[in-house]
Amino acid sequence: DAKTTQPTSMDCAEGRAANLPCNHSTISGNEYVYWYRQIHSQGPQYIIHGLKNNETNEMASLIITEDRKSSTLILPHATLRDTAVYYCIVNPSSNTGKLIFGQGTTLQVKP
Amino acid sequence: GAVVSQHPSRVICKSGTSVKIECRSLDFQATTMFWYRQFPKQSLMLMATSNEGSKATYEQGVEKDKFLINHASLTLSTLTVTSAHPEDSSFYICSARRRGQGYNSPLHFGNGTRLTVT
Repeated sequence: DAKTTQPTSMDCAEGRAANLPCNHSTISGNEYVYWYRQIHSQGPQYIIHGLKNNETNEMASLIITEDRKSSTLILPHATLRDTAVYYCIVNPSSNTGKLIFGQGTTLQVKP
Repeated sequence: GAVVSQHPSRVICKSGTSVKIECRSLDFQATTMFWYRQFPKQSLMLMATSNEGSKATYEQGVEKDKFLINHASLTLSTLTVTSAHPEDSSFYICSARRRGQGYNSPLHFGNGTRLTVT
C-alpha cells in the first residue's frame, strides 16, 4: 500500500491561501488521493479526492503532479475555522476500500 | 446528505463493565462501516471493517472478543467494548460508505465517542 509523507505542521495567515503538500511516491496507477481534515475532538471531514486530474470543489482544490508522486491541497482563503489536522491518504490497492490514516499536517490559521 | 451519527458522544464506565457504541447512517444505506480508535495526540487507527450481514474483519492486533462488532442492518453498526479497562479509554470513531458506491468513493465519518473507563 502506498504511504504518504506530510509536514508535521504549518501556519497560514487568515485570508491567505493555504497550500498543504503531500508526497506519495509509491502510489500505484489505480490508487486515489484523498484529503480529510479533523477539527479537534470531532470526526474527520471529507474534503476532496482525485486520481490524475486536478479537482476543485466548494471547499478546496487538489493539484496532483503529472507523475502522481505528490499532490497539494489548496484552501484558497483560509479562515480560523480551517485550523485542523489535514490528512492525505492514498486508497489502498486492495478492494476493501478502507482508509489508513498517517500523522497528517496540523494547520494553524492565524489572525 | 451522507450523515453518520454516533451515540453516545461521551460515556464513562467502570472498569470491568461493557459499553456499546452505535453508529448510524442517517440518510443513506451502508453495506460497509469502519471503526477507528484514536488516542490523544495520535492519528486514527483502524480497528475493524464491519460488513452488513457478515462477520467483521479485524485489523492485526485488535482483539475480536474484546471489541464486538455487529452490523445487523444497512444503517446500523455497533461496537461493544467488553470488560473495559482504563487502557481502553479512547476516542472511537465510525465511518460508512454509501451502498452502491465503489471502493474509491469517500467515507463519511461520525463525530466520535469519547470513552473513559474509571
